[in-house]
Formats: sequence, C-alpha cells, structure tokens
Amino acid sequence: KQEVTQIPAALSVPEGENLVLNCSFTDSAIYNLQWFRQDPGKGLTSLLLIQSSQREQTSGRLNASLDKSSGRSTLYIAASQPGDSATYLCAVKVGTGGFKTIFGAGTRLFVKA
Amino acid sequence: NAGVTQTPKFQVLKTGQSMTLQCAQDMNHEYMSWYRQDPGMGLRLIHYSVGAGITDQGEVPNGYNVSRSTTEDFPLRLLSAAPSQTSVYFCASRTTGGASNQPQHFGDGTRLSIL
Repeated sequence: KQEVTQIPAALSVPEGENLVLNCSFTDSAIYNLQWFRQDPGKGLTSLLLIQSSQREQTSGRLNASLDKSSGRSTLYIAASQPGDSATYLCAVKVGTGGFKTIFGAGTRLFVKA
Repeated sequence: NAGVTQTPKFQVLKTGQSMTLQCAQDMNHEYMSWYRQDPGMGLRLIHYSVGAGITDQGEVPNGYNVSRSTTEDFPLRLLSAAPSQTSVYFCASRTTGGASNQPQHFGDGTRLSIL
C-alpha cells in the first residue's frame, strides 16, 4: 500500500532563507508527483507536477525534484517570503489509469518577517 | 472563472441526519473526486468518477454515496451522518485527456460538523 510521508510537520524560518521540504513515498510505481499549497481555510493550489519520467520541475522561486528509485521528492523554495507561509502537501498519483491520488499530511511553513 | 464550486461552505448536522454536499465544475473535466481532510492525516480519497455515469470507490468510501449524472456535477451524500464524519471535504476535478498527468483543481472545501 502506497504511503506518503512529509517531514518536518512544521517549519519556521526567517525571511530570505532558502529552504527544502521533503516528501517520501513507499512504492515507486507512480504516474506523477504533485506539490500543492494550502492556505488556511482554503482549498489546494497546484504548484508543480513532475511526471514519473522527469527529474525536476521549476516555477519561479520553486524547484521540485523527483527520485523514483529512492522514493523521494523535495520542494526547494528560494529566498523565502512571508507570503510563502502556508501548508505544503505532496501527492502521488497511483493505481490503474492513475485515478487515485495519495496525499502526505503536509508541512506547515511559517516565514518570519 | 468559477473553476470548482462547493456548497455549502459550512454545515452542522445531528447524528443520523442525511445531507448532500454539492460540487460543480465548469471546465468540462471528465475526472472528479471527493476527499476528506482530517488533522494530521492529509487528504484521503472517498469516491471518484472518470465521467458521467461512472463512479468508483477510493480509500474511505464507507458511509458515503456519489452519483454522476452530468459532467459538471458530482454530489456527495451522507445517508446517516456519524460524528466520525466530522471533517473538511474537498472536491477536485481534472481533465483525463492524453494521460493522467494533469493537475487537479480543488474547490474551497465544505467544513462539516456532526454533533
């Protein structure tokens, strides 16, 4: 059974710091891995999607990597800002046809001004 | 630019009551799904649908029913609410065109409390 783990559960950093969020999964048979951002009381916003054949994706100050063989992904945030404060979730798409998504519990990030 | 719309945003029920959570999307997405989010557990898939007339179970389907009569709508029904169903419920949709490697779009959630 696929399990997705995110460490740490919470992280507090000063503004301007570069940081890495970690995601691990137990079964390498995935279609893709997606990173989401969730603001309090809101839904999820897709940040980056890495297909199983890809190694990384970049969008602005965000860079996500994928190592299927080791079951790991990282989300790198450069020059963090207070507006980056949110919960970040990773999710893997699995199952026949890729119709099921397994989520991690998330990392709550707080960027101090 | 509505995207995925969920109603209601908040609801309080008594144990044993029934209710339907509504979800509608205007992006002509074939795939729709329902998740529940509980503290410390991330999101768990309840039911999903790959098109009108087709539904299937996710990780935690017990106590919930779904139907998909149109492409746009995917309601979630609680037939007899239980306190264990207190949670935040999210609806999501995506296209299935080409491959399954398409990002999901989420609604803002329904916060449900069962007393």
